[in-house]
Amino acid sequence: KAGVTQTPRYLIKTRGQQVTLSCSPISGHRSVSWYQQTPGQGLQFLFEYFSETQRNKGNFPGRFSGRQFSNSRSEMNVSTLELGDSALYLCASSLFSMNTEAFFGQGTRLTVV
Amino acid sequence: AQSVAQPEDQVNVAEGNPLTVKCTYSVSGNPYLFWYVQYPNRGLQFLLKYITGDNLVKGSYGFEAEFNKSQTSFHLKKPSALVSDSALYFCAVRDLSFQKLVFGTGTRLLVSP
Repeated sequence: KAGVTQTPRYLIKTRGQQVTLSCSPISGHRSVSWYQQTPGQGLQFLFEYFSETQRNKGNFPGRFSGRQFSNSRSEMNVSTLELGDSALYLCASSLFSMNTEAFFGQGTRLTVV
Repeated sequence: AQSVAQPEDQVNVAEGNPLTVKCTYSVSGNPYLFWYVQYPNRGLQFLLKYITGDNLVKGSYGFEAEFNKSQTSFHLKKPSALVSDSALYFCAVRDLSFQKLVFGTGTRLLVSP
């Protein structure tokens, strides 16, 4: 059973640019969540999608957005990149039940210069 | 709001000795608790979870965790540490209101030969 796949693994962007990250969840999983990991802030929740609907959003500016497609694949977009957006972005997929574990991809390392 | 605390930034243990990584939680209602491990430049790997039932939960790679309701703790344990266990460990709780995982700050485990 394939795991969670995130592409690309590494990205270098310039301030002011935008970026799109992709996440393919485990087959059959309908919930996809995104997290930002930085040394200073740790793991922070960005948003969660279920059946193409954003169910919840973390405390991030509107420059951070996402979407989910009918096949459960998800994309995350960050516009007008800032230096502080440099981070490891992790995607997690899970079944819809609250008591099930989330499975994480290897992440996309974004560096903004 | 749900939260977890990991009081130790780093834990050092010699190979072959037992290890404990501490986690305390604060939740309203029944807790859904998880432990994840992260190796350098990798995503998070699920180790184990507590939903209900036995207070001693067994997980992957020989790890186990003890749920203690009176002390609101969920410590991760392993009877005999391996050098390969050296990694970053995160405790997490499921936030039932916002469909997200809330992570602790992480504990770096260093196992010396």
